[in-house]
Amino acid sequence: DAKTTQPPSMDCAEGRAANLPCNHSTISGNEYVYWYRQIHSQGPQYIIHGLKNNETNEMASLIITEDRKSSTLILPHATLRDTAVYYCIVRAHSNDYKLSFGAGTTVTVRA
Amino acid sequence: DTGVSQNPRHKITKRGQNVTFRCDPISEHNRLYWYRQTLGQGPEFLTYFQNEAQLEKSRLLSDRFSAERPKGSFSTLEIQRTEQGDSAMYLCASSPPATIYEQYFGPGTRLTVT
Repeated sequence: DAKTTQPPSMDCAEGRAANLPCNHSTISGNEYVYWYRQIHSQGPQYIIHGLKNNETNEMASLIITEDRKSSTLILPHATLRDTAVYYCIVRAHSNDYKLSFGAGTTVTVRA
Repeated sequence: DTGVSQNPRHKITKRGQNVTFRCDPISEHNRLYWYRQTLGQGPEFLTYFQNEAQLEKSRLLSDRFSAERPKGSFSTLEIQRTEQGDSAMYLCASSPPATIYEQYFGPGTRLTVT
């Protein structure tokens, strides 16, 4: 009953932008799109979240389509340290605080 | 370091033994979560505490699993009569009362049941 679909893996060149897609065609009106990443042997790390507007912070940008059925996480200048598994999660801001992770996208940044 | 800490980082045990893991959340974080992660999969939610109250438990948390958070500070996760299928990374996360946006994860405890 995964709510999101992500490609299993992708490669990116160091210094280039990495665009990570996520499909969430059954997203509800009150559900936000979250992105976390997990570097090898570490716990997941929050990156960014959004509802319907595009969002940007010091780590990444999040572009959500107008119909909210898909989104793209953009790492503007990928570095080797960005090699990780990236998880796209949809979550309502209610009493349901848990995160429901899928398998994510394994991103490998190559020099 | 003021991040979430977990102990031990690695635990090897024989099938049938009991194990207990500890999680120390970030100071003043009132919410605490336990997740389990098997190889190649994303973390799966196990249980959630708000202060000392355990508010939600996943169906993954069988009768052999028990979690506590006395006094709303650190938490323990105990697995009784371990099985080989319990081998996984057990992750703890915490979040502050002011926001529900971020969960801060610890490094995890890797359990191997032989």
